[in-house]
Amino acid sequence: DAKTTQPPSMDCAEGRAANLPCNHSTISGNEYVYWYRQIHSQGPQYIIHGLKNNETNEMASLIITEDRKSSTLILPHATLRDTAVYYCIVRVYTGGFKTIFGAGTRLFVKA
Amino acid sequence: SQTIHQWPATLVQPVGSPLSLECTVEGTSNPNLYWYRQAAGRGLQLLFYSVGIGQISSEVPQNLSASRPQDRQFILSSKKLLLSDSGFYLCAWSVGLAGDTDTQYFGPGTRLTVL
Repeated sequence: DAKTTQPPSMDCAEGRAANLPCNHSTISGNEYVYWYRQIHSQGPQYIIHGLKNNETNEMASLIITEDRKSSTLILPHATLRDTAVYYCIVRVYTGGFKTIFGAGTRLFVKA
Repeated sequence: SQTIHQWPATLVQPVGSPLSLECTVEGTSNPNLYWYRQAAGRGLQLLFYSVGIGQISSEVPQNLSASRPQDRQFILSSKKLLLSDSGFYLCAWSVGLAGDTDTQYFGPGTRLTVL
């Protein structure tokens, strides 16, 4: 079972910031939070990951709460091409490198 | 730079027929390799992963199997396809034994329809 909880869907106006929340209340101290997205009929695309500090790259920013029980992915200026399913993932080590993908959040960016 | 290839892109097969999907990675050595399946409108289900040649771990019991005959080649097979095998099959790779910073990079996928 996935160790993260995300809203099933969200809307965002084009040009506005999209803030996608994720709860991971059972995260352990050495587990990273990863975000991927999947545009329809394509393979998932890596966006960003972090441990405890906030992270930013050319695609997005990741804000992790101090207790690490939740995080928010921020797309600062959403475009129509950002419409996709966004997956928040906590890496689980069970004798191998196993990543569990939940249902994700379907983000609709509207003109 | 690293690239990952999967073929075929789409496949329509009758029930009971065999299956062979291939995945290759370029530009890296000794990657971890993964096979996922995604049913229509659903999330990704991890099927197999491999940390080296001939080393395969299965995550779910089923009529599929995986093999890694070469360092950067990962093959998903079945002797007899079931209707429930229909889905979007994704191959992914990651750098290797890099601890918890093991970012996965996905291929374009193969859409399989079993009739």
